Amino acid sequence: QTVVTQEPSLTVSPGGTVTLTCASSTGAVTSGYYPNWFQQKPGQAPRALIYSTSNKHSWTPARFSGSLLGGKAALTLSGVQPEDEAEYYCLLYYGGAQVRWVFGGGTKLTVL
Amino acid sequence: QVQLQESGPGLVKPSQTLSLTCTVSGGSISSGSYYWSWIRQPAGKGLEWIGRIYTSGSTNYNPSLKSRVTISVDTSKNQFSLKLSSVTAADTAVYYCARGGHYGGNSVTYYFDYWGQGTLVTVSS
Repeated sequence: QTVVTQEPSLTVSPGGTVTLTCASSTGAVTSGYYPNWFQQKPGQAPRALIYSTSNKHSWTPARFSGSLLGGKAALTLSGVQPEDEAEYYCLLYYGGAQVRWVFGGGTKLTVL
Repeated sequence: QVQLQESGPGLVKPSQTLSLTCTVSGGSISSGSYYWSWIRQPAGKGLEWIGRIYTSGSTNYNPSLKSRVTISVDTSKNQFSLKLSSVTAADTAVYYCARGGHYGGNSVTYYFDYWGQGTLVTVSS
């Protein structure tokens, strides 16, 4: 069973910078896992932020960026705003005989 | 702008089949290199990818659900559907439909962009 692991929770001060990570039980995350990142606020559907490691959607605020860091996918928020408080999920692609996407467990980001 | 809307029964009895439809508006379901996915989220828990379908009919499913899941597409109605058989209380969740896509030749890029608002399905007698 493939497991994708994220930090359960992180806290950041307004205006600060925070990095969320996404690890795979199969080994180092590379660009071939096409990491996607989503933001979800209570009672709302997830909103796509980043795709294929570092690409932004037209609606993605500039303060969000994606990368690969130390064998993991990473989402960095720079100049955090109070409205960034939310749950963040990564999504990884697994190819081969059983093509599938697997979500991470999510990171609850608190802005305090 | 593309919009997705889930529809279907909000209550399903145990052992029966859950059936949901996602209607796509603002664009043709057949245009572009898109795939159409179902994702669910039990209350207070994380997201789980259920599966996806291309308009060619090609599908991929979550291995843990594969024996119970069927995803189909009706291009004439601009809809795609989910059927999940032999449901139990563990299948109670908000179910989302979402659009994904890819582009690029030698350097493929995969993405998800638009999501439906989600629909709550409760499995209970």
